[in-house]
Amino acid sequence: GQNIDQPTEMTATEGAIVQINCTYQTSGFNGLFWYQQHAGEAPTFLSYNVLDGLEEKGRFSSFLSRSKGYSYLLLKELQMKDSASYLCAVRWDNQGGKLIFGQGTELSVKP
Amino acid sequence: DSGVTQTPKHLITATGQRVTLRCSPRSGDLSVYWYQQSLDQGLQFLIQYYNGEERAKGNILERFSAQQFPDLHSELNLSSLELGDSALYFCASSGRGTWTETQYFGPGTRLLVL
Repeated sequence: GQNIDQPTEMTATEGAIVQINCTYQTSGFNGLFWYQQHAGEAPTFLSYNVLDGLEEKGRFSSFLSRSKGYSYLLLKELQMKDSASYLCAVRWDNQGGKLIFGQGTELSVKP
Repeated sequence: DSGVTQTPKHLITATGQRVTLRCSPRSGDLSVYWYQQSLDQGLQFLIQYYNGEERAKGNILERFSAQQFPDLHSELNLSSLELGDSALYFCASSGRGTWTETQYFGPGTRLLVL
């Protein structure tokens, strides 16, 4: 199948670093996206990876290993406003632009 | 603001009824995607249109249908509504409907079926 696995919940402290992992089926892989979603709001785009390696964008970075079917989202210098759900989504070959989303990781940032 | 607009923001209706949700993509985007998000199912892909043509289909129920018009706006029609159809419905758009295009999401329509 096209299952995507990510932890359900994580808790971290303001100012700290947190890593949210995502694993997926490698066959036919054609790109991985990370989105942030606050409760009741629209998902907002954070990052896109299609080649192996690290993509850095300010406090957020995303890493991809295609051979391992593994990605992580790294959030540095955590702020209270980073409390949200983080969604990993994968696109596979020959399926148009369809994205399959993981269930999301609910991140709570504590003072 | 993603540039994707959706109306209405909220919709309350009764079982058995039919509703239409509307989406306008970002200026210049040719692809429109519809997603359903319920508490127990997460974000589920329903259907994609590219420049008026159906491009990809997910587990969309037969009671649901969609179309994309010449001006590129899209409508999602939900009929014979059931309690379980209560959810957030998101529309997203992207530039050319190709593999590398990032999808930008609208604010969603919250549907409550009573």
